[in-house]
Amino acid sequence: DVKVTQSSRYLVKRTGEKVFLECVQDMDHENMFWYRQDPGLGLRLIYFSYDVKMKEKGDIPEGYSVSREKKERFSLILESASTNQTSMYLCASSLGQTGLYNSPLHFGNGTRLTVT
Amino acid sequence: AQKVTQAQTEISVVEKEDVTLDCVYETRDTTYYLFWYKQPPSGELVFLIRRNSFDEQNEISGRYSWNFQKSTSSFNFTITASQVVDSAVYFCAPFYPQGGSEKLVFGKGTKLTVNP
Repeated sequence: DVKVTQSSRYLVKRTGEKVFLECVQDMDHENMFWYRQDPGLGLRLIYFSYDVKMKEKGDIPEGYSVSREKKERFSLILESASTNQTSMYLCASSLGQTGLYNSPLHFGNGTRLTVT
Repeated sequence: AQKVTQAQTEISVVEKEDVTLDCVYETRDTTYYLFWYKQPPSGELVFLIRRNSFDEQNEISGRYSWNFQKSTSSFNFTITASQVVDSAVYFCAPFYPQGGSEKLVFGKGTKLTVNP
């Protein structure tokens, strides 16, 4: 079974802090994604990556950056956390042979970030 | 942007009842894929099914079944003899690979509560 592991289940950070959310997958998947999930808004794509060192903006990249130095690890960075970034963050991966989404996404169990 | 509508925000049923979750999607494309994901209280989205637009056969997997109606752009999900463990948020997600912008579009989700 694919395992996608997010390093923290809950995080509390202060406004202005630099925040790192880490995600690791163990199935050699090419594609990795970061979503945020908010009540009433559903899942929104922040960034994705289809290869090491490659990244693409999703629908809501403002205030975020990402890093993919190794195939198995995809980090989401909040350069200067703000209260409107309080949310549930979900990492996902998929096999990349036939495109980004032709294969199912495998999700981690999320990081609930609170920015105070 | 192409949209997906899950009109039911929340549904509450009693165990053993059948329940249908609706999904209506917009598309201008002839080729697309349709996904359903389940998000139990633990937070991790779990893949349930993927269908492509050329396969209009309905699908049954145990107590789960999916009714794909291309003529009405709907891909509804039925749980037969619901159980408490079915309590979760369910997301319908079409994927449109054409048009130069691959995108998986998540619906806002339907929260299903199955009461004992």
